[in-house]
Amino acid sequence: AQTVTQSQPEMSVQEAETVTLSCTYDTSESDYYLFWYKQPPSRQMILVIRQEAYKQQNATENRFSVNFQKAAKSFSLKISDSQLGDAAMYFCASKQGAQKLVFGQGTRLTINP
Amino acid sequence: DGGITQSPKYLFRKEGQNVTLSCEQNLNHDAMYWYRQDPGQGLRLIYYSQIVNDFQKGDIAEGYSVSREKKESFPLTVTSAQKNPTAFYLCASSLQIGPALGNTIYFGEGSWLTVV
Repeated sequence: AQTVTQSQPEMSVQEAETVTLSCTYDTSESDYYLFWYKQPPSRQMILVIRQEAYKQQNATENRFSVNFQKAAKSFSLKISDSQLGDAAMYFCASKQGAQKLVFGQGTRLTINP
Repeated sequence: DGGITQSPKYLFRKEGQNVTLSCEQNLNHDAMYWYRQDPGQGLRLIYYSQIVNDFQKGDIAEGYSVSREKKESFPLTVTSAQKNPTAFYLCASSLQIGPALGNTIYFGEGSWLTVV
Protein backbone atom coordinates (compact mmCIF):
# COMPACT_ATOMS: atom_id res chain seq x y z
CA ALA A 1 0.00 0.00 0.00
CA GLN A 2 1.18 3.47 -0.77
CA THR A 3 1.92 5.78 2.13
CA VAL A 4 2.76 9.45 2.43
CA THR A 5 4.56 10.90 5.44
CA GLN A 6 4.90 14.51 6.48
CA SER A 7 7.23 14.67 9.47
CA GLN A 8 6.65 18.34 10.34
CA PRO A 9 3.28 18.89 12.06
CA GLU A 10 3.97 22.64 12.25
CA MET A 11 6.31 25.12 10.61
CA SER A 12 6.68 28.86 10.84
CA VAL A 13 8.51 31.42 8.75
CA GLN A 14 9.00 35.15 8.68
CA GLU A 15 7.16 37.01 5.98
CA ALA A 16 9.28 37.32 2.80
CA GLU A 17 11.53 34.45 3.84
CA THR A 18 11.77 30.98 2.32
CA VAL A 19 10.43 27.81 3.91
CA THR A 20 10.63 24.15 2.90
CA LEU A 21 8.03 21.55 3.81
CA SER A 22 9.09 17.91 3.79
CA CYS A 23 7.31 14.89 2.38
CA THR A 24 8.34 11.30 1.85
CA TYR A 25 6.31 8.59 0.19
CA ASP A 26 6.42 4.89 -0.38
CA THR A 27 5.42 3.20 -3.60
CA SER A 28 6.20 0.10 -5.59
CA GLU A 29 5.04 1.68 -8.83
CA SER A 30 7.28 3.28 -11.41
CA ASP A 31 4.60 5.62 -12.73
CA TYR A 32 2.86 7.96 -10.33
CA TYR A 33 2.07 11.58 -9.63
CA LEU A 34 2.74 13.73 -6.59
CA PHE A 35 0.82 16.77 -5.45
CA TRP A 36 0.90 19.50 -2.85
CA TYR A 37 -2.46 20.85 -1.74
CA LYS A 38 -3.11 23.89 0.43
CA GLN A 39 -6.01 24.02 2.87
CA PRO A 40 -6.65 27.52 4.27
CA PRO A 41 -9.02 28.17 7.18
CA SER A 42 -11.95 27.96 4.74
CA ARG A 43 -11.08 24.22 4.54
CA GLN A 44 -11.25 24.05 0.75
CA MET A 45 -8.41 22.02 -0.76
CA ILE A 46 -6.49 24.01 -3.34
CA LEU A 47 -3.93 22.49 -5.67
CA VAL A 48 -0.54 24.17 -5.30
CA ILE A 49 1.72 22.12 -7.54
CA ARG A 50 2.04 18.69 -9.16
CA GLN A 51 4.96 16.55 -10.29
CA GLU A 52 5.03 13.67 -12.73
CA ALA A 53 7.36 10.91 -11.51
CA TYR A 54 8.76 10.29 -14.97
CA LYS A 55 9.97 13.88 -15.26
CA GLN A 56 13.38 14.68 -13.82
CA GLN A 57 12.81 18.42 -13.89
CA ASN A 58 11.35 19.83 -10.70
CA ALA A 59 7.97 21.50 -11.07
CA THR A 60 7.65 25.24 -10.42
CA GLU A 61 4.61 27.47 -10.02
CA ASN A 62 5.54 31.08 -9.35
CA ARG A 63 6.83 31.21 -5.74
CA PHE A 64 6.27 27.49 -5.22
CA SER A 65 8.73 24.82 -6.31
CA VAL A 66 9.44 21.23 -5.44
CA ASN A 67 12.58 19.22 -4.85
CA PHE A 68 11.75 15.79 -6.22
CA GLN A 69 14.26 13.10 -5.29
CA LYS A 70 12.90 9.94 -6.85
CA ALA A 71 15.49 7.51 -5.51
CA ALA A 72 15.01 8.81 -1.99
CA LYS A 73 11.21 9.00 -2.47
CA SER A 74 11.24 12.56 -1.26
CA PHE A 75 9.04 15.42 -2.47
CA SER A 76 9.58 18.68 -0.59
CA LEU A 77 7.81 21.98 -1.24
CA LYS A 78 9.70 25.26 -1.19
CA ILE A 79 7.81 28.51 -0.76
CA SER A 80 9.83 31.59 -1.61
CA ASP A 81 9.05 35.14 -0.51
CA SER A 82 6.44 33.88 1.96
CA GLN A 83 3.26 35.93 2.18
CA LEU A 84 0.63 36.15 4.91
CA GLY A 85 -1.83 34.48 2.55
CA ASP A 86 0.35 31.39 2.43
CA ALA A 87 -0.66 30.50 5.98
CA ALA A 88 -2.55 27.21 5.79
CA MET A 89 -2.35 23.46 6.21
CA TYR A 90 -0.29 21.89 3.45
CA PHE A 91 -0.87 18.32 2.38
CA CYS A 92 1.39 16.17 0.28
CA ALA A 93 -0.39 13.51 -1.78
CA SER A 94 0.51 10.60 -4.03
CA LYS A 95 -1.55 9.21 -6.91
CA GLN A 96 -0.62 5.87 -8.41
CA GLY A 97 -3.78 4.48 -9.86
CA ALA A 98 -6.47 6.44 -11.59
CA GLN A 99 -8.68 6.11 -8.59
CA LYS A 100 -7.46 8.02 -5.64
CA LEU A 101 -5.03 10.24 -3.81
CA VAL A 102 -3.28 9.16 -0.63
CA PHE A 103 -2.61 12.08 1.69
CA GLY A 104 -0.03 12.79 4.34
CA GLN A 105 -1.01 14.09 7.75
CA GLY A 106 -0.37 17.70 6.84
CA THR A 107 1.90 20.52 7.96
CA ARG A 108 0.48 23.68 9.47
CA LEU A 109 2.37 26.68 8.15
CA THR A 110 2.35 29.95 10.06
CA ILE A 111 3.65 33.18 8.54
CA ASN A 112 5.03 35.69 11.04
CA PRO A 113 4.69 39.34 10.00
CA ASP B 1 -19.04 29.27 -12.95
CA GLY B 2 -17.73 25.71 -13.24
CA GLY B 3 -17.07 23.87 -10.05
CA ILE B 4 -18.08 21.42 -7.38
CA THR B 5 -20.97 22.30 -5.10
CA GLN B 6 -21.51 20.59 -1.78
CA SER B 7 -24.54 21.03 0.42
CA PRO B 8 -25.37 21.59 3.13
CA LYS B 9 -22.26 23.22 4.53
CA TYR B 10 -23.29 22.34 8.08
CA LEU B 11 -25.41 19.37 9.08
CA PHE B 12 -26.42 17.96 12.42
CA ARG B 13 -27.40 14.35 12.87
CA LYS B 14 -29.17 12.70 15.73
CA GLU B 15 -28.16 9.27 16.90
CA GLY B 16 -29.64 6.56 14.69
CA GLN B 17 -30.42 8.85 11.78
CA ASN B 18 -29.29 8.56 8.21
CA VAL B 19 -28.23 11.80 6.54
CA THR B 20 -27.27 12.57 2.96
CA LEU B 21 -24.63 14.99 1.76
CA SER B 22 -25.06 16.37 -1.72
CA CYS B 23 -22.28 16.82 -4.29
CA GLU B 24 -22.85 18.27 -7.75
CA GLN B 25 -20.25 19.12 -10.38
CA ASN B 26 -20.60 20.92 -13.72
CA LEU B 27 -17.05 20.27 -14.88
CA ASN B 28 -18.05 17.31 -17.05
CA HIS B 29 -15.73 15.12 -15.00
CA ASP B 30 -16.20 11.37 -15.14
CA ALA B 31 -14.69 10.50 -11.77
CA MET B 32 -16.02 11.61 -8.40
CA TYR B 33 -14.81 10.95 -4.87
CA TRP B 34 -15.77 11.35 -1.23
CA TYR B 35 -13.14 12.01 1.42
CA ARG B 36 -13.41 12.33 5.18
CA GLN B 37 -11.19 14.62 7.23
CA ASP B 38 -10.95 14.43 11.00
CA PRO B 39 -9.50 17.32 13.02
CA GLY B 40 -5.75 17.62 12.58
CA GLN B 41 -5.70 14.74 10.12
CA GLY B 42 -5.26 14.19 6.43
CA LEU B 43 -7.99 13.03 4.08
CA ARG B 44 -9.20 9.45 3.85
CA LEU B 45 -11.11 8.03 0.89
CA ILE B 46 -14.64 6.79 1.55
CA TYR B 47 -15.97 5.95 -1.94
CA TYR B 48 -15.16 6.79 -5.51
CA SER B 49 -16.90 6.44 -8.85
CA GLN B 50 -15.26 6.38 -12.27
CA ILE B 51 -18.44 6.19 -14.32
CA VAL B 52 -22.19 6.49 -13.97
CA ASN B 53 -23.86 3.57 -12.20
CA ASP B 54 -20.56 2.27 -10.88
CA PHE B 55 -18.67 3.00 -7.66
CA GLN B 56 -15.97 1.43 -5.51
CA LYS B 57 -15.22 1.34 -1.81
CA GLY B 58 -12.34 3.34 -0.53
CA ASP B 59 -10.38 2.85 2.66
CA ILE B 60 -13.16 3.67 5.15
CA ALA B 61 -16.45 2.75 3.42
CA GLU B 62 -18.13 1.07 6.39
CA GLY B 63 -21.23 2.95 7.51
CA TYR B 64 -21.48 4.95 4.29
CA SER B 65 -23.32 4.49 1.00
CA VAL B 66 -23.30 6.30 -2.33
CA SER B 67 -25.09 6.36 -5.65
CA ARG B 68 -24.10 7.61 -9.10
CA GLU B 69 -27.24 7.87 -11.19
CA LYS B 70 -26.07 10.97 -13.03
CA LYS B 71 -22.64 12.01 -14.18
CA GLU B 72 -22.82 15.31 -12.33
CA SER B 73 -24.09 13.99 -9.00
CA PHE B 74 -22.55 11.75 -6.31
CA PRO B 75 -24.47 11.93 -3.02
CA LEU B 76 -23.09 10.38 0.14
CA THR B 77 -25.35 8.87 2.80
CA VAL B 78 -23.99 8.56 6.30
CA THR B 79 -25.93 5.71 7.87
CA SER B 80 -26.63 4.92 11.49
CA ALA B 81 -24.03 2.17 11.17
CA GLN B 82 -21.31 4.82 11.10
CA LYS B 83 -20.54 5.10 14.79
CA ASN B 84 -18.33 8.15 14.69
CA PRO B 85 -19.55 10.32 11.83
CA THR B 86 -18.57 13.73 13.17
CA ALA B 87 -16.06 15.04 10.62
CA PHE B 88 -15.50 17.30 7.65
CA TYR B 89 -16.51 15.71 4.33
CA LEU B 90 -15.00 16.68 1.01
CA CYS B 91 -16.31 15.78 -2.41
CA ALA B 92 -13.95 15.83 -5.37
CA SER B 93 -13.88 15.11 -9.07
CA SER B 94 -11.40 14.56 -11.88
CA LEU B 95 -11.41 14.22 -15.64
CA GLN B 96 -11.03 10.62 -16.62
CA ILE B 97 -9.50 10.10 -20.04
CA GLY B 98 -7.38 7.14 -21.02
CA PRO B 99 -4.95 6.11 -18.28
CA ALA B 100 -6.13 9.10 -16.25
CA LEU B 101 -3.18 8.75 -13.95
CA GLY B 102 -2.19 12.36 -14.04
CA ASN B 103 -5.61 13.91 -13.88
CA THR B 104 -5.75 16.40 -11.08
CA ILE B 105 -8.44 15.96 -8.45
CA TYR B 106 -10.42 19.10 -7.66
CA PHE B 107 -12.32 19.58 -4.43
CA GLY B 108 -15.56 21.15 -3.29
CA GLU B 109 -15.80 23.43 -0.27
CA GLY B 110 -16.77 20.64 2.09
CA SER B 111 -19.55 19.82 4.53
CA TRP B 112 -19.37 19.68 8.31
CA LEU B 113 -21.33 16.85 9.92
CA THR B 114 -21.89 16.83 13.66
CA VAL B 115 -23.69 14.25 15.73
CA VAL B 116 -25.91 15.73 18.43
